[in-house]
Amino acid sequence: QQPVQSPQAVILREGEDAVINCSSSKALYSVHWYRQKHGEAPVFLMILLKGGEQKGHEKISASFNEKKQQSSLYLTASQLSYSGTYFCGTSSQGSGAGSYQLTFGKGTKLSVIP
Amino acid sequence: DADVTQTPRNRITKTGKRIMLECSQTKGHDRMYWYRQDPGLGLRLIYYSFDVKDINKGEISDGYSVSRQAQAKFSLSLESAIPNQTALYFCATSDFSLAGGPDYNEQFFGPGTRLTVL
Repeated sequence: QQPVQSPQAVILREGEDAVINCSSSKALYSVHWYRQKHGEAPVFLMILLKGGEQKGHEKISASFNEKKQQSSLYLTASQLSYSGTYFCGTSSQGSGAGSYQLTFGKGTKLSVIP
Repeated sequence: DADVTQTPRNRITKTGKRIMLECSQTKGHDRMYWYRQDPGLGLRLIYYSFDVKDINKGEISDGYSVSRQAQAKFSLSLESAIPNQTALYFCATSDFSLAGGPDYNEQFFGPGTRLTVL
C-alpha cells in the first residue's frame, strides 16, 4: 500500500520554508526521500531508519515518527534548485527487519519562484 | 559519468510485440531494481534482484519478466506489450550494508526508458 504524501503540490518563494509529509498505514522500518527534477532520474536525499539512524545530505533534514508511522522532510531557506518532485519510499516491518522493498508515494511537486 | 545506464532511452512499439529494456551498472552493486513511473502515480516496483541467482517479484510484476545476466546487467522484458504498459521505466541499484541491511542503502537510478505502446 502506497504511503500518502502531503501536500500534493506547493509553491514557494526563494528563502521560504516547506515541510513535506509522508504517512503510512503500516509499521515502518525505513523511510527514503528522493527528489526528481523534470525529465531526470530520482536522486537520493535521505534515509531514516527505525531506531533513529539516518543518513543523507547535510542541507536536508527530516524526521521519522515511528509511533505515528510518518516522516517529514524539512526544506529551509529554499533555493530555485530545490524545485522538483519529492518522493518518499517506505519499507515495512518484517521479521524484525525491513521488507527490503520500497513502496513510493505519489510525490509532492515543489516549485520555487524568485 | 553514467554509473547506471539504460538502453534504449526511448522506444515506440506496437501492441503484441516483445521488447526488452536493458540496464547496466558500473557501481559494483549487487542489488538491482526495475520500476515504472506513471504520471501522478509515483514509482512502482516491478522486480528486484539481490544477486544473480535471486529474483523477486515486486508490486506489479504481471506482464513482465526479468533476467539477471551478470552482476552488472538486469533486463526487463515485456512478452506481449499492451498500451497500458506505456510508461517511464527506471532501473536502480543499491549497495549492501551490514548495518541496517538493504533498507539502509540509497538507490541510484538510471536515466530512464520512455516506452510507448501503440
